[in-house]
Amino acid sequence: AQKVTQAQTEISVVEKEDVTLDCVYETRDTTYYLFWYKQPPSGELVFLIRRNSFDEQNEISGRYSWNFQKSTSSFNFTITASQVVDSAVYFCALSGAGSYQLTFGKGTKLSVIP
Amino acid sequence: GAVVSQHPSRVICKSGTSVKIECRSLDFQATTMFWYRQFPKQSLMLMATSNEGSKATYEQGVEKDKFLINHASLTLSTLTVTSAHPEDSSFYICSARGPRALSTEAFFGQGTRLTVV
Repeated sequence: AQKVTQAQTEISVVEKEDVTLDCVYETRDTTYYLFWYKQPPSGELVFLIRRNSFDEQNEISGRYSWNFQKSTSSFNFTITASQVVDSAVYFCALSGAGSYQLTFGKGTKLSVIP
Repeated sequence: GAVVSQHPSRVICKSGTSVKIECRSLDFQATTMFWYRQFPKQSLMLMATSNEGSKATYEQGVEKDKFLINHASLTLSTLTVTSAHPEDSSFYICSARGPRALSTEAFFGQGTRLTVV
């Protein structure tokens, strides 16, 4: 069975601070995909990143960066110089190869205070 | 990217009535779509997998007679909540496997917030 754990339920930071959202996963698949989604109050899911299990390179996209550590089964997400518009619930998710069903973590609610 | 459109975005219905939610892939064909449910302040839970031309596969604990799924075409899946009750109030969101060039991704609709009064 697959499992995604986001231990941080809620985080509050002051604008311009850096913040890291943790994600730990469990799977027996050797090939799998990891995702991060942003869910603003309106409810839609905004796709942020997809990483396959064979690619352990870290990725940076603007103020966002992701650290994939296969050895610790973690896929952490860092927002640098946070902004109020970053306030949302962030979900980490996992799918097996060939499966497009996603197993979601419980989400981390990020509040960026001006 | 590929676009998935979900309609309606919000619906309020009376207890005992049925509500239909549509999920459309706008610019690609989707042989497989997924329906998720999200209770307030909780995570998204997979309800069922919808396959074009065949019966949906429901997750354990999801009542298939209550949540009717129809995937009659390659671009449309519908979820009908039958005899809705207040406890069915939730956020429902669909996703579709992307087109060939993006086949490793699933694209999400905008979601439907259902309130049963």
